[in-house]
Amino acid sequence: DVKVTQSSRYLVKRTGEKVFLECVQDMDHENMFWYRQDPGLGLRLIYFSYDVKMKEKGDIPEGYSVSREKKERFSLILESASTNQTSMYLCASRGTDRGSEKLFFGSGTQLSVL
Amino acid sequence: AQKVTQAQTEISVVEKEDVTLDCVYETRDTTYYLFWYKQPPSGELVFLIRRNSFDEQNEISGRYSWNFQKSTSSFNFTITASQVVDSAVYFCALSEGSGGYNKLIFGAGTRLAVHP
Repeated sequence: DVKVTQSSRYLVKRTGEKVFLECVQDMDHENMFWYRQDPGLGLRLIYFSYDVKMKEKGDIPEGYSVSREKKERFSLILESASTNQTSMYLCASRGTDRGSEKLFFGSGTQLSVL
Repeated sequence: AQKVTQAQTEISVVEKEDVTLDCVYETRDTTYYLFWYKQPPSGELVFLIRRNSFDEQNEISGRYSWNFQKSTSSFNFTITASQVVDSAVYFCALSEGSGGYNKLIFGAGTRLAVHP
């Protein structure tokens, strides 16, 4: 089974801190994604990566950056955390061959910024 | 632009009732994929079904069934004889094109509570 692992289930940070959210997948997938989930808004795409060192902005990239130095790892960085970044963050991965449109998700990181 | 609308924010039913979760989508593409995901309290989204735009056949899997109608841009999900374990947030999603870099656009989700 595909496994997408997010390093922390719960995280509490202070305003202004630099925050790293880590995600690792074990299926050699080319595509990786970071979403945030907020009540009433569903999942919104922050950034995605289609290859090592490649990244594309999603719908809400402001205040975030990403890093993909290795194929299996995709990191989300909050340069200076703010309270409006309190949210559930979900990482996902996907292959690129035909029929592989399905995303595999991690369990999520609930981030609270105080 | 792509858009997915799940008008039902929360649904509450009693066990053994049938329940339908609505999903309406917007897209200008002729090739696209529709998905349903389940998010139980544990948090991890679980894939339920993928349907491509060229296949309008309804699908049944156990107590789950899906009704895809291109004429009304809807992809509704029905749970027959609901059980407490069906309690979760359900998301409908849309992806344009095929494979490659296409991103998934999610609806806001419908929270289903099944009571004993």
